[in-house]
Amino acid sequence: DIVMTQTPLSLSVPPGQPASISCKSSQSLLHSDGKTYLYWYLQKPGQSPQLLIYGVASRFSGVPDRFSGSGSGTDFTLKISRVEAEDVGVYYCMQGIHLPHTFGQGTKVEIK
Amino acid sequence: EVQLVESGGGLVQPGGSLRLSCAASGFTFRSYYMSWVRQAPGKGLEWVASINGDGSVRHYVDSVKGRFTISKDNAENSLYVQVNSLRAEDTAVYYCARDIGFGRYDNWGQGTLVTVSS
Repeated sequence: DIVMTQTPLSLSVPPGQPASISCKSSQSLLHSDGKTYLYWYLQKPGQSPQLLIYGVASRFSGVPDRFSGSGSGTDFTLKISRVEAEDVGVYYCMQGIHLPHTFGQGTKVEIK
Repeated sequence: EVQLVESGGGLVQPGGSLRLSCAASGFTFRSYYMSWVRQAPGKGLEWVASINGDGSVRHYVDSVKGRFTISKDNAENSLYVQVNSLRAEDTAVYYCARDIGFGRYDNWGQGTLVTVSS
């Protein structure tokens, strides 16, 4: 199984400041079709997970442009340019190239 | 609007069984892969099982193989998972999710809680 490792596991960020989460996979997520199947999901407190980023860097419908994803192969990053109160929650990276789909441990983001 | 509504969770003794359901609406259900993802209390997300559009292809995480069976009724727009031989470690909120390809879970239900305890 592909292991997804996120760092840090928690972040406390003043409002308006940037935040960055790293995600590393134990195998390359680059498929033979040329696409990289790396996703970012956010689970806000008391809610179901929601898709933020797909294909490393594409924002899902309705996701603010302060969220951006980058990376390739086995190293990926989610950045929030200016953290807002509504961004609190747990962020998960996930790989979809091989079954079982596997998630990182999650990074809890709170407002300082 | 896509809607996914899970039901069927509850308290069950170790070794017991449940059938979880997910009622889907707002999209052509038969055209999509569907998955179950679970979350143990205070823990992270774990993919459990997936099924393709016509129900002919099913995949499971190793820890549930032989105990869980995913199915879908395209006429009823419903996804199911039969969970048997339940263990304490199966205690979790079970979410159904629509997979639009390679793990792109674009819509999730609200979840249904399964508690395995004597």
